[in-house]
Amino acid sequence: EIVLTQSPGTLSLSPGERATLSCRASQSVSSSYLAWYQQKPGQAPRLLIYGASSRATGIPDRFSGSGSGTDFTLTISRLEPEDFAVYYCQQYGSSPRVTFGQGTKLEIK
Amino acid sequence: QVQLQESGPGLVKPSETLSLTCAVSGYSISSGYYWGWIRQPPGKGLEWIGSIYHSGSTYYNPSLKSRVTISVDTSKNQFSLKLSSVTAADTAVYYCARVGLKNAFDIWGQGTMVTVSS
Repeated sequence: EIVLTQSPGTLSLSPGERATLSCRASQSVSSSYLAWYQQKPGQAPRLLIYGASSRATGIPDRFSGSGSGTDFTLTISRLEPEDFAVYYCQQYGSSPRVTFGQGTKLEIK
Repeated sequence: QVQLQESGPGLVKPSETLSLTCAVSGYSISSGYYWGWIRQPPGKGLEWIGSIYHSGSTYYNPSLKSRVTISVDTSKNQFSLKLSSVTAADTAVYYCARVGLKNAFDIWGQGTMVTVSS
């Protein structure tokens, strides 16, 4: 079973700063099948990045994804007030076919 | 645009079966894509339950597989989730979603809260 571990658990930053979120897999994940989501309170998750580095439709270019193998990163270049939320990574691959990380909460410092 | 809407009872008794439906609008399920169910217990993270193709082909989370059935009704353009023998641990917001490019969930329903309690 592939386990995704996200770090840090909570990240405290100010608007305008750069955010770097990590997702580490217990086994190698195909870069094609690593995604990132944003979730705000009371809302469904929203797809940000798929295929490790491709932005989903309508996602601002301040969001970028990178990585391969077991280490993946979501970077938000300049934080906007609306970016403070919980972020999840997700992989598709070997059994179980789909797993999510436990989430990183990005909060305003 | 494509929209998904979950529906079903908000309260289910322990040991009974949870049943939810996801109605899809703006796209014909018969045209393709996999469709999935994901849940989120209060204050916790996301857990994938299972996914289905319009042909009826399914794959499930092994941790839930013995209790889960996902089915599709192309005539009604909807797919459904049944989870049997529920306990309080199954209390969660249940989301339906479309499986898009690179097997990412690209379109989500708003979610429906299901509480398991007597």
